[in-house]
Amino acid sequence: SQTIHQWPATLVQPVGSPLSLECTVEGTSNPNLYWYRQAAGRGLQLLFYSVGIGQISSEVPQNLSASRPQDRQFILSSKKLLLSDSGFYLCAWRSTGDYNEQFFGPGTRLTVL
Amino acid sequence: GDSVTQMEGPVTLSEEAFLTINCTYTATGYPSLFWYVQYPGEGLQLLLKATKADDKGSNKGFEATYRKETTSFHLEKGSVQVSDSAVYFCALSDGSEKLVFGKGMKLTVNP
Repeated sequence: SQTIHQWPATLVQPVGSPLSLECTVEGTSNPNLYWYRQAAGRGLQLLFYSVGIGQISSEVPQNLSASRPQDRQFILSSKKLLLSDSGFYLCAWRSTGDYNEQFFGPGTRLTVL
Repeated sequence: GDSVTQMEGPVTLSEEAFLTINCTYTATGYPSLFWYVQYPGEGLQLLLKATKADDKGSNKGFEATYRKETTSFHLEKGSVQVSDSAVYFCALSDGSEKLVFGKGMKLTVNP
């Protein structure tokens, strides 16, 4: 069966510090991968998605970046965090093919102070 | 572009009450439709789905029917429990790489 992992689970960082969040998927190959941010426990904002190694599509201009160095690894990064980067970050995967659902990881709670 | 409109709440119900969460969509073609649930502090979980018109998805006592004529996918449960307290998201897939989500509705069930 497929599983998706995210770490760390929680993170408290000072403004201006770097960020690296990692997501890995097991039990599938060549998945589509997604990073979302959720503020105030409600709406989902799609940040990045990837359909293959090294292929990144950005949905929202910001000081975050994403990379996919391996087929089942997706990394969200920042060189300098802002207060507004605080939120709940969710990684998701989806098998390639039309009309399929996405499966979400447990999330990372980021607080920027 | 494609869009999903759902009740935003928040909604508070008593245990054993009937639940309906409305969801309507706009899409070209024939999308797949989903309901996701997010329990406090967790990621989203797929609750149910329907891939074509008149399909009924069901899981954990929840049901939703894909109504093409009204472009709707309303979520229902006959008797809610305290453990159903969560945020519920309606979503669609139009065959592209992305899912389109509604804004989510927070449900609180009191004993």
